[in-house]
Amino acid sequence: DIQMTQSPSTLSASVGDRVTISCRASQSISTWLAWFQQQPGKAPKLLIYDASRLESGVPSRFSGSGSGTDFTLTISSLQPDDFATYYCQQYNVYYSFGQGTKVEI
Amino acid sequence: EVQLVQSGPEVKKPGESLRISCRVSGYSFANYWIGWVRQMPGKGLEWMTIMYPGSSDTRYSPSFQGQVTMSADKSTSTAYLQWSSLKASDIAVYYCARARQSLDTSPYFFDNWGQGTLVTVSS
Repeated sequence: DIQMTQSPSTLSASVGDRVTISCRASQSISTWLAWFQQQPGKAPKLLIYDASRLESGVPSRFSGSGSGTDFTLTISSLQPDDFATYYCQQYNVYYSFGQGTKVEI
Repeated sequence: EVQLVQSGPEVKKPGESLRISCRVSGYSFANYWIGWVRQMPGKGLEWMTIMYPGSSDTRYSPSFQGQVTMSADKSTSTAYLQWSSLKASDIAVYYCARARQSLDTSPYFFDNWGQGTLVTVSS
């Protein structure tokens, strides 16, 4: 199965910061990668699919890039609602998630 | 509006059986894959199983094959996840999620999620 590794595991940032989260796949997954945001006690929310396509209704400060094995989620200017845990997920061969990156103040 | 509404929290004893549900609305249930994802306390997300209700084609993660059973009732637009004998290690929040494609030839990704069902197993 395909292993997904995110870095960092925890990220400390301030409102207005530019934030970057990395995700690496154990084998090539083309662009079949999604990013989710999860607030405490809530269901995950889809942000990005196909590595770089913004889901409808998601603010444009979120963007994704990458292909093959290396991917990045960028938040251009961190807002108070963005403090959460972020997961990458590959869907090239079934599904597997990264371990998560917690963005904290 | 697409909605996935899951059944309420459950408290069970080890060895008991359980079935939790996910009722959908706002789209054609039979024509989209729907799956289940586990989140153990304080941990990350794990994909368990996925089904295409129109054909009942069902796939399982190797980690969950034989541990759970997924089913669906097209007449009520409801997906189910069941256990025949619960263990303490089954304590988790379980999410259902719909899967869609960006193009007809592309693989499916999860877009809309249910609110989660907390399963507690304790003697």
